[in-house]
Amino acid sequence: AQSVAQPEDQVNVAEGNPLTVKCTYSVSGNPYLFWYVQYPNRGLQFLLKYITGDNLVKGSYGFEAEFNKSQTSFHLKKPSALVSDSALYFCAVRDDYKLSFGAGTTVTVRA
Amino acid sequence: DGGITQSPKYLFRKEGQNVTLSCEQNLNHDAMYWYRQDPGQGLRLIYYSQIVNDFQKGDIAEGYSVSREKKESFPLTVTSAQKNPTAFYLCASSIARRRKSNQPQHFGDGTRLSIL
Repeated sequence: AQSVAQPEDQVNVAEGNPLTVKCTYSVSGNPYLFWYVQYPNRGLQFLLKYITGDNLVKGSYGFEAEFNKSQTSFHLKKPSALVSDSALYFCAVRDDYKLSFGAGTTVTVRA
Repeated sequence: DGGITQSPKYLFRKEGQNVTLSCEQNLNHDAMYWYRQDPGQGLRLIYYSQIVNDFQKGDIAEGYSVSREKKESFPLTVTSAQKNPTAFYLCASSIARRRKSNQPQHFGDGTRLSIL
């Protein structure tokens, strides 16, 4: 089975500083990897995905993610964080017909 | 606007009672999914359906049931057999039903179920 892990429960950064949310994966074959964001009492919003090709994937709201095959990682990044980026972030991998999600990372951006 | 509508937003269940959560989509998506979200555990798949009149159990199907009579609708029933039903339930859909699809899933805004 395919799986992802998010090693940090929480990430705290100051507004304007770079933001990184970590994700590692364990798959057989080529992975389809996704990042989602969730605001309180809302559903998940799709940010970006990696299928194949360029290792740097650009997504919504200024987010990007770097796929690293040797380190089996797919870290989410934003060069300059905003207070409005405070939310719960999920990494996911396509596993047969479904998505398998990490446990989530809570991001807090302080003003 | 196309999207996924879940209702109600909040639901309360008495002991021994079955409740049904509604999920409707107007995205013309083939595949639909139900997830359960508990704090610190991410999302766990309950059931999924790749096509009308067909559905499969996910990782935590015990105590739940579903139907898929229409492409647009995928209701979830939480039965009295589910001993710990308090959770946030999320419905999702995606455009493609084939294995290993690279299409993202689109989510509704969830239903929060609590036990009285």
